[in-house]
Amino acid sequence: EPEVTQTPSHQVTQMGQEVILRCVPISNHLYFYWYRQILGQKVEFLVSFYNNEISEKSEIFDDQFSVERPDGSNFTLKIRSTKLEDSAMYFCASSDAGQGVGETQYFGPGTRLLVL
Amino acid sequence: AQSVSQHNHHVILSEAASLELGCNYSYGGTVNLFWYVQYPGQHLQLLLKYFSGDPLVKGIKGFEAEFIKSKFSFNLRKPSVQWSDTAEYFCAVNGPSNTGKLIFGQGTTLQVKP
Repeated sequence: EPEVTQTPSHQVTQMGQEVILRCVPISNHLYFYWYRQILGQKVEFLVSFYNNEISEKSEIFDDQFSVERPDGSNFTLKIRSTKLEDSAMYFCASSDAGQGVGETQYFGPGTRLLVL
Repeated sequence: AQSVSQHNHHVILSEAASLELGCNYSYGGTVNLFWYVQYPGQHLQLLLKYFSGDPLVKGIKGFEAEFIKSKFSFNLRKPSVQWSDTAEYFCAVNGPSNTGKLIFGQGTTLQVKP
């Protein structure tokens, strides 16, 4: 069964450093998402991406964040200058166009980011 | 703003007990509703979903959920839990923004004692 994959599984970085989290969505999917979960808190929506552009972003997704689909298979989340409060589990998800934006999202295993 | 509330944060049951996890959402318009499960060490997986039609939906592993529009609820049920159901359960809704954004509840940790 096709799966969403994410790399790395864990990343430790120093405050102020740039990090890039990588995701390979399921190959025929058209909608892509990033979510995050700070330890002990809810899973929070960050951004949705369709047709090579952001379709919605949350208040969390400020100028320090960006997303890209550089090569038709990868979907990346970049944090330009990490802060301590960016420490969280970051989940990538994708869905196909079967029922439009309401279709089931398939989640990757997550990248645990720790900012020191 | 749209929100999702799960009433139980931590539930402990013995095997064969019945399960009901509560979920309420705040948006009054058309919604799609989901229950996801995260088994220890694994990623979020879809248990079941409601888009339209029969408000009683059946999912994998014997789970079902009932959409009650008048109560803004989508409670998850299973008549007889197993030790392997130990996991974290998340209710989620996507609604008006038409971008697929999911709003999650805070999750319920279910521990099933053998």
